[in-house]
Amino acid sequence: DAGVIQSPRHEVTEMGQEVTLRCKPISGHDYLFWYRQTMMRGLELLIYFNNNVPIDDSGMPEDRFSAKMPNASFSTLKIQPSEPRDSAVYFCASSLGGGRGNQPQHFGDGTRLSIL
Amino acid sequence: QKEVEQNSGPLSVPEGAIASLNCTYSDRGSQSFFWYRQYSGKSPELIMSIYSNGDKEDGRFTAQLNKASQYVSLLIRDSQPSDSATYLCAVNGGNTPLVFGKGTRLSVIA
Repeated sequence: DAGVIQSPRHEVTEMGQEVTLRCKPISGHDYLFWYRQTMMRGLELLIYFNNNVPIDDSGMPEDRFSAKMPNASFSTLKIQPSEPRDSAVYFCASSLGGGRGNQPQHFGDGTRLSIL
Repeated sequence: QKEVEQNSGPLSVPEGAIASLNCTYSDRGSQSFFWYRQYSGKSPELIMSIYSNGDKEDGRFTAQLNKASQYVSLLIRDSQPSDSATYLCAVNGGNTPLVFGKGTRLSVIA
């Protein structure tokens, strides 16, 4: 079975540019999560969806960040405008919540983002 | 604020020894507990899950849970250099998403 698929794997762009990260969850999973990982702060939950509906976006650092999930097989995380402090690895994960949210999450390979 | 605490390490053990990784959590209502392994430059990979008090063994890995003490641990027997990675503890309490610790870096010395 295909795992969580993220694209691009690496993104290097200049400050002020728009960045769009993409994620395809595991088929049948009803929860999707976006994380950011840095050495200083570890793995931070940015936002998560259940059945394509955003449930909690309290981890989104600023209004420059937005996320959408137009259907069960696709989600995007957008940063506009980007800043150097947004440089990090961004992971997407999905899980089969079963209505209780206690199932493990499965991670994609991540997008390594560098803002110059 | 739900918290998951881990010693950041590095924890260094000789090859063949037992590595013991520990994790404490603040939410007494937590129900599900997971250990993830993350190699440098890679994504977290699930290696163990545990839901009830006691021990759960899977190959060289044993997860231990003590809900009264709000403590979960991971033992790696016969440690190998290939076990060198960061180990993340993750906890959740039903309808809430996982809360991750910052991880313990393990180094197995050949």
